Amino acid sequence: DQQVKQNSPSLSVQEGRISILNCDYTNSMFDYFLWYKKYPAEGPTFLISISSIKDKNEDGRFTVFLNKSAKHLSLHIVPSQPGDSAVYFCAASISQAGTALIFGKGTTLSVSS
Amino acid sequence: DTAVSQTPKYLVTQMGNDKSIKCEQNLGHDTMYWYKQDSKKFLKIMFSYNNKELIINETVPNRFSPKSPDKAHLNLHINSLELGDSAVYFCASSPHRAGPRGYTFGSGTRLTVV
Repeated sequence: DQQVKQNSPSLSVQEGRISILNCDYTNSMFDYFLWYKKYPAEGPTFLISISSIKDKNEDGRFTVFLNKSAKHLSLHIVPSQPGDSAVYFCAASISQAGTALIFGKGTTLSVSS
Repeated sequence: DTAVSQTPKYLVTQMGNDKSIKCEQNLGHDTMYWYKQDSKKFLKIMFSYNNKELIINETVPNRFSPKSPDKAHLNLHINSLELGDSAVYFCASSPHRAGPRGYTFGSGTRLTVV
């Protein structure tokens, strides 16, 4: 049973345009949502997160939006750059001991110049 | 200095063998994890230790046994390797409650069972 879903396996965007990556979740107990970026042969690296009490968090070119009623979050990258080409994982957590981050399947973003 | 380091990076072995993957973190974190990324690309939690104590043990075959000699190390031993064990295994660490910054991951160990 997938609690975190990324329904688009891939996304192609031109340099300078906006990239929008989507994520849906099913468990209303999640209180933190995170995005990780992964290059080939490397581990996932933390990109940005959002608490369930907020609906937007921004860090430079990266903005995460959370819609709790729809159980949906999205990552916006503006402007997209070729170096952003990577796999992006959405993850969710419940802030209590004995639980672990639950990841989506990832979306491969390709930014062409 | 690498924050979370795993060895080896690549491991090719025959069915039936026993192998270990080592993980060390120098971040002073209390909690360490093993995740498995299978051919379908899902990252799934396997185990978690907090200060050498097992706190998460997902539905994983008994052939997999984690060992944490101290809070900076979490090793994974796999007995009687099977073809289906082929995957990338990631070690990660976090403060006790991960909060907004989540986990720090190692670069992964690609295990191939032939």
